[in-house]
Amino acid sequence: AQSVTQLDSQVPVFEEAPVELRCNYSSSVSVYLFWYVQYPNQGLQLLLKYLSGSTLVESINGFEAEFNKSQTSFHLRKPSVHISDTAEYFCAVSRTGANNLFFGTGTRLTVIP
Amino acid sequence: DVKVTQSSRYLVKRTGEKVFLECVQDMDHENMFWYRQDPGLGLRLIYFSYDVKMKEKGDIPEGYSVSREKKERFSLILESASTNQTSMYLCASSPSGRVDNEQFFGPGTRLTVL
Repeated sequence: AQSVTQLDSQVPVFEEAPVELRCNYSSSVSVYLFWYVQYPNQGLQLLLKYLSGSTLVESINGFEAEFNKSQTSFHLRKPSVHISDTAEYFCAVSRTGANNLFFGTGTRLTVIP
Repeated sequence: DVKVTQSSRYLVKRTGEKVFLECVQDMDHENMFWYRQDPGLGLRLIYFSYDVKMKEKGDIPEGYSVSREKKERFSLILESASTNQTSMYLCASSPSGRVDNEQFFGPGTRLTVL
């Protein structure tokens, strides 16, 4: 069985401050890891993903996440947030041979002017 | 460009009504999924389908059924809507044969059952 834990349901942060959204997973097999973003009144969009290779992955809008196998984590970071980053962020995991994604409960990031 | 569309963005129905939520994808994907999204609970999988006329129960199938008569269309059916089915419903699709199972989402349907 596998699960995804996002410990922080809400994260308020001031504009231009750094942010970290935490994600931990449990799985006994190799996994693929995703961060999706949901802007207000929209569906989910892929932000970034880890499949293999370099453990640090980046998105086009300045977010990055690092796969840490020993800590079973895939935390999302951004050194300086913008108002437009206000959204809900979901961590998800799939495993080799499966067709499904397993989602965390989401973290609502609110950027304060 | 990848596209998943859902028939309605907002829907209001009465208790006991039969409700159809439609999802169409234009990417020739084999896999399609229906989730409901509720505050604090994240996304929960209702049903998914790996091929035409095939369906599998997800984590919360009770009170729902699905239909997949064509590859591009996946319908979610509430046989007799109840107030506890008020929620945001998200459809997604993914191609088979990819190791990572990345899913592509529609914009969602916010259903209110009165």
